[in-house]
Amino acid sequence: QKEVEQDPGPLSVPEGAIVSLNCTYSNSAFQYFMWYRQYSRKGPELLMYTYSSGNKEDGRFTAQVDKSSKYISLFIRDSQPSDSATYLCAPKAAGNKLTFGGGTRVLVKP
Amino acid sequence: GAVVSQHPSRVICKSGTSVKIECRSLDFQATTMFWYRQFPKKSLMLMATSNEGSKATYEQGVEKDKFLINHASLTLSTLTVTSAHPEDSSFYICSAQLASDEQFFGPGTRLTVL
Repeated sequence: QKEVEQDPGPLSVPEGAIVSLNCTYSNSAFQYFMWYRQYSRKGPELLMYTYSSGNKEDGRFTAQVDKSSKYISLFIRDSQPSDSATYLCAPKAAGNKLTFGGGTRVLVKP
Repeated sequence: GAVVSQHPSRVICKSGTSVKIECRSLDFQATTMFWYRQFPKKSLMLMATSNEGSKATYEQGVEKDKFLINHASLTLSTLTVTSAHPEDSSFYICSAQLASDEQFFGPGTRLTVL
C-alpha cells in the first residue's frame, strides 16, 4: 500500500463546476499538507498549505484536512479551463521530505 | 510565493558528457533544497536532499557518483549528471524549503541525452 493514494483521473468537468479532489494517507506522523498544481512540462506550483485538521480557503480554492480519517481534499470553485492541470497532494511530517500522491489530472471543458 | 529558478530549462547533450543544472532561490535563503526526477505522466521521484554546507542525502537506488549534488550557498544548489546516457533523459526539478516547511519548486530542466 502506498503512503499516499490519489485517484489518477482524468477528471473532466464543465467550466464553472466545482472540482473535488482527494487523497488518503497512511502515515499518522504527517502534520503538514500541501496541494500543488502542475502544468505539463512545468514545475509544481504550491496552491495550498495547511497544518491542522479543518478547512482553509484561498480565493476559489478550499483545502480540507481530516486527520482522524487521514483524508485530504481540495475543492476548486467556479472552475476555469486554465485550471486544467495535474493536482498533487503532498503531506509531510515535520522536518521530513514531501510524500507525493500520484496526481490527479483535471480537465475543465469550456 | 517564493521564487525558485533553474538553469538551463532545456539541455541536449551527447552520451558520455556531463551536464550541470543550477537551482537558485531568488528571494529567500534555503538551507535545504531537493532534487526530483519526473518521467512522463508520472509523479515526482525524490532523488536527494541537499543541505547547505554538508553532503547531500541520496534516496535508495540513486547513484551518488552519477548524480553529484553541491549546495554551495544558501541560494544555490547544483546537480551534475556525470557521463550521461540516454536512460538519464528526464525532467529534473529542484525545490527549496522555507523555515515554515513550505516547499517551492523550480520550473524544471528537460535533459535529453542522445
